[in-house]
Amino acid sequence: GAVVSQHPSRVICKSGTSVKIECRSLDFQATTMFWYRQFPKQSLMLMATSNEGSKATYEQGVEKDKFLINHASLTLSTLTVTSAHPEDSSFYICSASTASGTYNEQFFGPGTRLTVL
Amino acid sequence: ILNVEQSPQSLHVQEGDSTNFTCSFPSSNFYALHWYRWETAKSPEALFVMTLNGDEKKKGRISATLNTKEGYSYLYIKGSQPEDSATYLCASFYGNNRLAFGKGNQVVVIP
Repeated sequence: GAVVSQHPSRVICKSGTSVKIECRSLDFQATTMFWYRQFPKQSLMLMATSNEGSKATYEQGVEKDKFLINHASLTLSTLTVTSAHPEDSSFYICSASTASGTYNEQFFGPGTRLTVL
Repeated sequence: ILNVEQSPQSLHVQEGDSTNFTCSFPSSNFYALHWYRWETAKSPEALFVMTLNGDEKKKGRISATLNTKEGYSYLYIKGSQPEDSATYLCASFYGNNRLAFGKGNQVVVIP
């Protein structure tokens, strides 16, 4: 149980285009989903937290107009990198939690490697 | 954001040997510490959630201890096997269900 999928696993795009990444909880309802980014040899850095039906809460320094997050249902959240540039090339990974407000376990997807040319 | 540090960053272990590594985190306003195991091209897999000072948890040959007063946790692997090769992440909870991660301990078990 508690499986999270992420699609695509790898994407290469041209500078200026937008890329959408999907995160799905396959066998549970995710009250809260999280989006992280990881640069080489660095730690996973939280970008934003989203609750189903609500606007996402972005961490300091993360541009909400550049990284659009939609959490339209209890099993799906999407991250859209708008007008991507080479500096947005990174590893993006989502996680999902069954409850909010407590230190509940987060279940992770396998991640998406984004390369912007 | 919390500063979570893990050491060593990478280590090679001979099959059958035991090993351990450290996660340090701010001890003030501590809520919980999570350990994850992350194999290449797979999803990070939760190992432990630890909340109380002195907590010890075990899963097979892997165990962890927690010292919230001094802000560290140890992860132990007993009798390492090649399938233990992975990156082990620790993360400290810091409110609103958010986690601050360390860079990970990359373990390579040599057959």
